[in-house]
Amino acid sequence: AQSVAQPEDQVNVAEGNPLTVKCTYSVSGNPYLFWYVQYPNRGLQFLLKYITGDNLVKGSYGFEAEFNKSQTSFHLKKPSALVSDSALYFCAENQFYFGTGTSLTVIP
Amino acid sequence: DTGVSQDPRHKITKRGQNVTFRCDPISEHNRLYWYRQTLGQGPEFLTYFQNEAQLEKSRLLSDRFSAERPKGSFSTLEIQRTEQGDSAMYLCASSFGDGGTGELFFGEGSRLTVL
Repeated sequence: AQSVAQPEDQVNVAEGNPLTVKCTYSVSGNPYLFWYVQYPNRGLQFLLKYITGDNLVKGSYGFEAEFNKSQTSFHLKKPSALVSDSALYFCAENQFYFGTGTSLTVIP
Repeated sequence: DTGVSQDPRHKITKRGQNVTFRCDPISEHNRLYWYRQTLGQGPEFLTYFQNEAQLEKSRLLSDRFSAERPKGSFSTLEIQRTEQGDSAMYLCASSFGDGGTGELFFGEGSRLTVL
């Protein structure tokens, strides 16, 4: 069965340090992969997606993600974390399969 | 702002009652999705429409749940004979295009509490 895994429930990073939020997928073939962010008391917002082409995709707020087919991963990254990046992050495979979310806390 | 809107934002009901949620998508979006989200979990897909056609339903969608999108615009999700296990946030999202490549635009959700 198709699924998306986010192995870390919680990630803490110091402000200014690089951050990574991990995601792995299980679908074979060519997946459509997405990252969404949920701020407290707000709806989920789209960050970026991989459909085809360049394995490194850039999105909103300085985030980027790298599609790695051999490792079936699509990790979210940002070179320098901001306190305002603290939120809940969800990885998704197409529109049907979401991970359980990773809570990111950026420590001032 | 003409984003996705959901109504009501909060609903408290007694077990056994029926509830209905409404979703107004972004007007030019042809796809509309419903999800359920509980604490500590990601959104769980329930069903989706392309225009007015309901194309897929999850096994999570028991026969007490029904969704409609009568004119390809707004959608309703009805839960009949609610149970305490139905307590959750119900999310609506819309997207444009075919083939599942379009990103989702979410509403802020309708929180259901069943007493």
